[in-house]
Amino acid sequence: RKEVEQDPGPFNVPEGATVAFNCTYSNSASQSFFWYRQDCRKEPKLLMSVYSSGNEDGRFTAQLNRASQYISLLIRDSKLSDSATYLCVALYNTDKLIFGTGTRLQVFP
Amino acid sequence: EAGVVQSPRYKIIEKKQPVAFWCNPISGHNTLYWYLQNLGQGPELLIRYENEEAVDDSQLPKDRFSAERLKGVDSTLKIQPAELGDSAVYLCASSLGVTRNTGELFFGEGSRLTVL
Repeated sequence: RKEVEQDPGPFNVPEGATVAFNCTYSNSASQSFFWYRQDCRKEPKLLMSVYSSGNEDGRFTAQLNRASQYISLLIRDSKLSDSATYLCVALYNTDKLIFGTGTRLQVFP
Repeated sequence: EAGVVQSPRYKIIEKKQPVAFWCNPISGHNTLYWYLQNLGQGPELLIRYENEEAVDDSQLPKDRFSAERLKGVDSTLKIQPAELGDSAVYLCASSLGVTRNTGELFFGEGSRLTVL
């Protein structure tokens, strides 16, 4: 079983839609979590950190549920430019980052 | 400010040939990572350096892969001999270091390897 698991998708949604991705992690010792975005044939870039209390950055909301060991990312009012792969990342031992396989999002007009 | 620089961007070789990738991290970033990314997968850590010390190389296939970061700045990843299954994108990343790890790694554009 992978340490960080995601549904690979693709999620095909129309512009303006709300879409949510989930990610599960197996190691309860994971300390911190992040969402990265990776455009096609580009490098991954940090999108946002995930805090226990939940956090919001514009149209993006990240949530952490430690009891169930899952992380979510909600995107409201999807834009064409949101089309990308979203990577869930867990931090272990303060220095080891484990990436999920990524969830591909395609927003269509 | 310059980002993480990697070269070459693309490399095509025949199996059993050697190949080397170079990475120059962001200035001042003590921590340097080499990741491997296969199509449709997330990045997988090969090796992590703190300055010139390899602090995590548990996932590096040491029979054919080697890496060095001699002066604690730029780094080289080598594969010798390459196998068909090594075809992937090799990503280098850097960060400010373990104690200040906010989870933000800065990645280079990657070196795409094709082994024929």
